[in-house]
Amino acid sequence: SAVISQKPSRDICQRGTSLTIQCQVDSQVTMMFWYRQQPGQSLTLIATANQGSEATYESGFVIDKFPISRPNLTFSTLTVSNMSPEDSSIYLCSVAGGNTIYFGEGSWLTVV
Amino acid sequence: QKEVEQDPGPLSVPEGAIVSLNCTYSNSAFQYFMWYRQYSRKGPELLMYTYSSGNKEDGRFTAQVDKSSKYISLFIRDSQPSDSATYLCAMSLRIQGAQKLVFGQGTRLTINP
Repeated sequence: SAVISQKPSRDICQRGTSLTIQCQVDSQVTMMFWYRQQPGQSLTLIATANQGSEATYESGFVIDKFPISRPNLTFSTLTVSNMSPEDSSIYLCSVAGGNTIYFGEGSWLTVV
Repeated sequence: QKEVEQDPGPLSVPEGAIVSLNCTYSNSAFQYFMWYRQYSRKGPELLMYTYSSGNKEDGRFTAQVDKSSKYISLFIRDSQPSDSATYLCAMSLRIQGAQKLVFGQGTRLTINP
């Protein structure tokens, strides 16, 4: 399994601001995924990020709100834009391994 | 109807008890079945992974899949306080070369010393 590092691990953000989460993997991977986990809820896929192409967003998520970069095969960023309290969640970076996926430690964001 | 149903609990048992966690699913196309363990404010950690009906054992953990009933279970023997976490079942299938993963709601488990 890959080692996945996320920054920041947690942050408290002001309403209306934006925050960029970084994800670094210790090996080259084709597909990286960004999930959101709201308090007490399960995981929801935001988008799939492939290197060299635009990210593919799931229903209910748009690029203007969650822009994603994937500059190379080991790194990706997710920006949460114009944050509101409803964006308070854990944001998780993950990579595919075989027929399953592995997660980073997550970035816990609280919007006040 | 949700594709994957999991009782959210919470479930509280004494140390040493056998724990049974369960999920049902509706999509017979799911091919791979996983259990993740998630400690508070941490990312999910892959615990067990299987793709066929039957049992798979790893130490104190046993994953069971019954494809005919669309039912999977995770058993924890000799449960320990360190097993206290949220357990998420997940199922996946390949669609046009891409992996689609669907998670259950997660069951919050507490093992009392």
